[in-house]
Order: sequence, then structure tokens, then C-alpha cells
Amino acid sequence: TQLLEQSPQFLSIQEGENLTVYCNSSSVFSSLQWYRQEPGEGPVLLVTVVTGGEVKKLKRLTFQFGDARKDSSLHITAAQPGDTGLYLCLTNFGNEKLTFGTGTRLTIIP
Amino acid sequence: DTEVTQTPKHLVMGMTNKKSLKCEQHMGHRAMYWYKQKAKKPPELMFVYSYEKLSINESVPSRFSPECPNSSLLNLHLHALQPEDSALYLCASSQAHIAGGPLTDTQYFGPGTRLTVL
Repeated sequence: TQLLEQSPQFLSIQEGENLTVYCNSSSVFSSLQWYRQEPGEGPVLLVTVVTGGEVKKLKRLTFQFGDARKDSSLHITAAQPGDTGLYLCLTNFGNEKLTFGTGTRLTIIP
Repeated sequence: DTEVTQTPKHLVMGMTNKKSLKCEQHMGHRAMYWYKQKAKKPPELMFVYSYEKLSINESVPSRFSPECPNSSLLNLHLHALQPEDSALYLCASSQAHIAGGPLTDTQYFGPGTRLTVL
């Protein structure tokens, strides 16, 4: 079974703090996407990473794809209340198996 | 327009009812997806349609029956559901779905239908 584990499962921090969310697997994946889901809505794509070691920045969000292509991280600088939501990683492990990670529920306290 | 619409927003049904969930997109996407999301859990893939043909069925019970009448519409027909089928059902679309290829296309999700089975 190919699993995508995310950590932490829950995170509640003050506005202005920094945080990192992790997505790990024991299997190699060819590419990975990060989505954010807000209450009452469907997930929205944040980024796609495809190259081992790749780093992508999206304003205050920095995404990294591990060299071994088994892990990825999302770092948020100076978190804001609008960053609150469920963060999900997604891959297909290079086969048909579209799999979401276990999710990280982030709450930013004003 | 990057919108995926789903109707109804909420649905309550009994175990003997037959109902349908509808999903529509007008982005010219040729891949459409159904996901099931239980409370506090990530979405789980149910079905993938590629060019209006069923491409992936993740061993979903036959009480769920998908249908893709044309490239813009995706239905999910429900019959004899169980209370444990209560969940948020999400529809998504993407430009294409290449089985076994790297995941690069953006999936655009609708807001979901919250289903309660009594």
C-alpha cells in the first residue's frame, strides 16, 4: 500500500509565526501537488513540484521536493489568518493511484 | 471561467431512495473525477472519466453508479445507500488524465455535495 503521511496532523499558531508542514512516503513519487481546502469548499491547487530537490516560492509559501523524491515540505513565513485551512499533498506515485496525504489542519490565531 | 459547479449543495436521503449528484464544467476539460470525503479526512478517489469513458473505478460499491453524458457533465447515481456513505462528495476536472504519467495537471474542484443517509 502506498501511503502519504503528513505531519503535523493539527497545528495552531499565532499570526506572524512561521511553520512547516511535511508530506512523506516510503515510495518514490514522480511529482507532487499541494492543495489547500477551506471549510465548505473544494481543494485549490497551490503548487506542483516535479524535480527532485526543487524549491518553489509562492509569496510567503515555500515548497520543497526532496532529493530522493519521497518527501516534500511546505513552509509558511509570517502566517496570516487567511492561511487557515486543510493542507493536502497529492500524488499518483507514477501509476494510476491518485492519493491524497493524511492532511494538516492549520489554524492561525489573530 | 475556472468554475466547477455541483448540485445539490446538500442532500438527505433514506436508504431506499434513488438520487443523483450532478457536476458541470465548461473549461473544455476531458478528465472528470468523483471523490468522497469523510469528516476530518482527506478526499478519497472514487472514479475517473477520461474522454467520457470510465478510466478508473477504485473498487467502489455498485450502489454508486457514475455516468458521463458528455464532456461537460458528470453524474453520480445513488441507490440503496448506507448511513456510512454519508460524506462530502467532491467533483473535479482537469485538462487530461494520463494514467501512469506524472501528476502535473491542475484539478479544479467543485464545492461538493454534502450527503446524509438516514
